[in-house]
Amino acid sequence: DAEITQSPRHKITETGRQVTLACHQTWNHNNMFWYRQDLGHGLRLIHYSYGVHDTNKGEVSDGYSVSRSNTEDLPLTLESAASSQTSVYFCASSAMGAVTEAFFGQGTRLTVV
Amino acid sequence: ILNVEQSPQSLHVQEGDSTNFTCSFPSSNFYALHWYRWETAKSPEALFVMTLNGDEKKKGRISATLNTKEGYSYLYIKGSQPEDSATYLCAPNQGGKLIFGQGTELSVKP
Repeated sequence: DAEITQSPRHKITETGRQVTLACHQTWNHNNMFWYRQDLGHGLRLIHYSYGVHDTNKGEVSDGYSVSRSNTEDLPLTLESAASSQTSVYFCASSAMGAVTEAFFGQGTRLTVV
Repeated sequence: ILNVEQSPQSLHVQEGDSTNFTCSFPSSNFYALHWYRWETAKSPEALFVMTLNGDEKKKGRISATLNTKEGYSYLYIKGSQPEDSATYLCAPNQGGKLIFGQGTELSVKP
């Protein structure tokens, strides 16, 4: 069965360190997204991609970057981790089109100390 | 970035009660409206995707309506059960990406 997986599931890192969260999907979806979950804000869009070599900033992109070198993967990098980036991160993917549903990974809980 | 508002933020009901919540969004440049159900410690899962003004979708005891002209959607749950306890998210599709509201957290007491 097709799936979308995130790794690691839990991560503790120190302020200032670079951290990369992995997202891998086997749906062969063109669209991939990174969201963060924060109390009172629901899911906020960090970065997204509509295909290989395409990346776009979302509403809370400062301090984050992504790259899309193949269809399956969209890693999220925190350039220099800050305590404000402590959150749960969700990756999602969808086929092209406005009516296609998104499928979410299990989430990565990141703590920056 | 779209401004998506959901109300109420939280709702506590008794088993058997029927309930509804609202999602409001800008009506311009509308493509589709998604509803997701998000249980604690799990990932969001799609409930409905709606595109047409006046559209109504139903899945079991849960249904949703859409008004694209005035920019709102209602989600209804008939005869709530404890297993309906979850956060319900709406998300208009803006140019291929989903912009989520903050969600309505539903708690159903037995």
